[in-house]
Amino acid sequence: AQKVTQAQTEISVVEKEDVTLDCVYETRDTTYYLFWYKQPPSGELVFLIRRNSFDEQNEISGRYSWNFQKSTSSFNFTITASQVVDSAVYFCALSERAGNNRKLIWGLGTSLAVNP
Amino acid sequence: EAGVVQSPRYKIIEKKQPVAFWCNPISGHNTLYWYRQNLGQGPELLIRYENEEAVDDSQLPKDRFSAERLKGVDSTLKIQPAELGDSAVYLCASSADSLLNEKLFFGSGTQLSVL
Repeated sequence: AQKVTQAQTEISVVEKEDVTLDCVYETRDTTYYLFWYKQPPSGELVFLIRRNSFDEQNEISGRYSWNFQKSTSSFNFTITASQVVDSAVYFCALSERAGNNRKLIWGLGTSLAVNP
Repeated sequence: EAGVVQSPRYKIIEKKQPVAFWCNPISGHNTLYWYRQNLGQGPELLIRYENEEAVDDSQLPKDRFSAERLKGVDSTLKIQPAELGDSAVYLCASSADSLLNEKLFFGSGTQLSVL
């Protein structure tokens, strides 16, 4: 079973639509971190946000917002008024303890196409 | 400030040939990662370095893959011999933190095609 599930493989929207990318995670760790990364067609993964397990405040950054809900183990990402430049693959990732180490577990990604 | 630099950007080789990828992390970042990303998949960790020490190489196929980070700065990942299944994008990343609590900075990757 996936520890980080991004159920939407591909999403296609028209410019200016709002779109939400889902991320559901599974962990037994009490101290963990969640991330979203963007991978545009150029290929370079770009950090968007980090959330620790003790901070359930939602966050807004321009057109981007994140909804973290521990009760449902979800960390969803919403783009408001989408633009063509938002077209990319978006990855959700979980950092949790693994023995004496930590592991970063990636979802399979959601490919977002924003059409003009 | 320069980001993570990788070279080459693309590499095409025939199977059984050796290949090497190079990465220069962001200055001051002690932690360096090599990831492999197959088409339609998320990144898969191959090896993680803290300075010159490989602290997690559990996912590195050691029969054909090797890596080094001799002076704790830049790093080289080698495959010898390459197989068809090694075709993928090889990503290098670095971070200032060693606990995977902080963000990773990624290079543009090397796209490897094994024919």
